[in-house]
Amino acid sequence: DTEVTQTPKHLVMGMTNKKSLKCEQHMGHRAMYWYKQKAKKPPELMFVYSYEKLSINESVPSRFSPECPNSSLLNLHLHALQPEDSALYLCASSHEANYNEQFFGPGTRLTVL
Amino acid sequence: QKEVEQNSGPLSVPEGAIASLNCTYSDRGSQSFFWYRQYSGKSPELIMFIYSNGDKEDGRFTAQLNKASQYVSLLIRDSQPSDSATYLCAVKQSPRRDDKIIFGKGTRLHILP
Repeated sequence: DTEVTQTPKHLVMGMTNKKSLKCEQHMGHRAMYWYKQKAKKPPELMFVYSYEKLSINESVPSRFSPECPNSSLLNLHLHALQPEDSALYLCASSHEANYNEQFFGPGTRLTVL
Repeated sequence: QKEVEQNSGPLSVPEGAIASLNCTYSDRGSQSFFWYRQYSGKSPELIMFIYSNGDKEDGRFTAQLNKASQYVSLLIRDSQPSDSATYLCAVKQSPRRDDKIIFGKGTRLHILP
């Protein structure tokens, strides 16, 4: 299995909702990443997990809460989001937590109403 | 401020010709360089990485790195309409595990049939 999967593909939520994004990889990668990408902009790093421990938090607001239940899974819990949080949320993984050769999942298109 | 610069384009190239995409970076100590292809509405796909000065070829793609001049380029030979996409250059400044990748803003490439 050489891919990163993400669910759901699309998500529409209100500002008072709680939802979660899921990411899974079975490549034996030990680093997983969450990025946010707005239209016509490059991806922005949000969080990095290395060996299932949070190693980087890029000063992301607490309404985004990451979780890494095991080495294959990465979740992003969403609560009380704002319309400006609407974006494509990308999960990526790499063999080691050195940012090299990251492989991206298809992304979740999030719309906050 | 560490920066990765790309011409935003669009770069229009006739089908069958060579497309040349360029990227410059500000940190002279940068170590690792990546090219991602991103189709509209899709996630970035890693197509090339290069760590040493010189050329690296993979099929129709050639990455060129010149650390003295601080630029990295991507050549696409025999361009096809399916190569039309945004190409993101990404640079990692150091081998340190926690030194993240910096993405350029991307160059839009349009292959003319």
